[in-house]
Amino acid sequence: KNEVEQSPQNLTAQEGEFITINCSYSVGISALHWLQQHPGGGIVSLFMLSSGKKKHGRLIATINIQEKHSSLHITASHPRDSAVYICAVRFEGATNKLIFGTGTLLAVQP
Amino acid sequence: DTAVSQTPKYLVTQMGNDKSIKCEQNLGHDTMYWYKQDSKKFLKIMFSYNNKELIINETVPNRFSPKSPDKAHLNLHINSLELGDSAVYFCASSQWGGGEKLFFGSGTQLSVL
Repeated sequence: KNEVEQSPQNLTAQEGEFITINCSYSVGISALHWLQQHPGGGIVSLFMLSSGKKKHGRLIATINIQEKHSSLHITASHPRDSAVYICAVRFEGATNKLIFGTGTLLAVQP
Repeated sequence: DTAVSQTPKYLVTQMGNDKSIKCEQNLGHDTMYWYKQDSKKFLKIMFSYNNKELIINETVPNRFSPKSPDKAHLNLHINSLELGDSAVYFCASSQWGGGEKLFFGSGTQLSVL
């Protein structure tokens, strides 16, 4: 069982829909990252957060430290949002080491 | 200007060969990483260097040897390549601390035949 669980594994949405991807982890963390991997393979860091909420354009990331849970929301989804979204955490005391979730494959259909 | 550049993008080679992947970052970051992405797209850390010093060395076969000539470069040398080494290898960098945003290279698709 992976220490970082993502759900759903696969998600298909219609253009314009509101999308939520979830990430749960097992023990205390010092940071959580959301990454996006495009079909071409490149990986882009979307957010790094340790508490609260961050917003960038149509993307919103939230984290609940007590519940050991984070969500990535995409508002007004678009086909160009189609990608794999990966959650990664740095556990407390684990300098520089990230543990990755298995990713969520999102397909947004026009 | 590419922030984190790694070469080559594709590497096809025979079992038993030795190969290297190069990585350079121009962001002035202190920390560089090598990650391996398997066929199921699962990412796992291999190595992390901070200012040329090895910080993380996961349970990677000693056929894999990272080398950091300076803090802007982290190369990965692989000896005696095996079929199971086939994967995509990503270089990345960040400021020291691990809680900073990561910047990834475009990946090297290694295929061992």
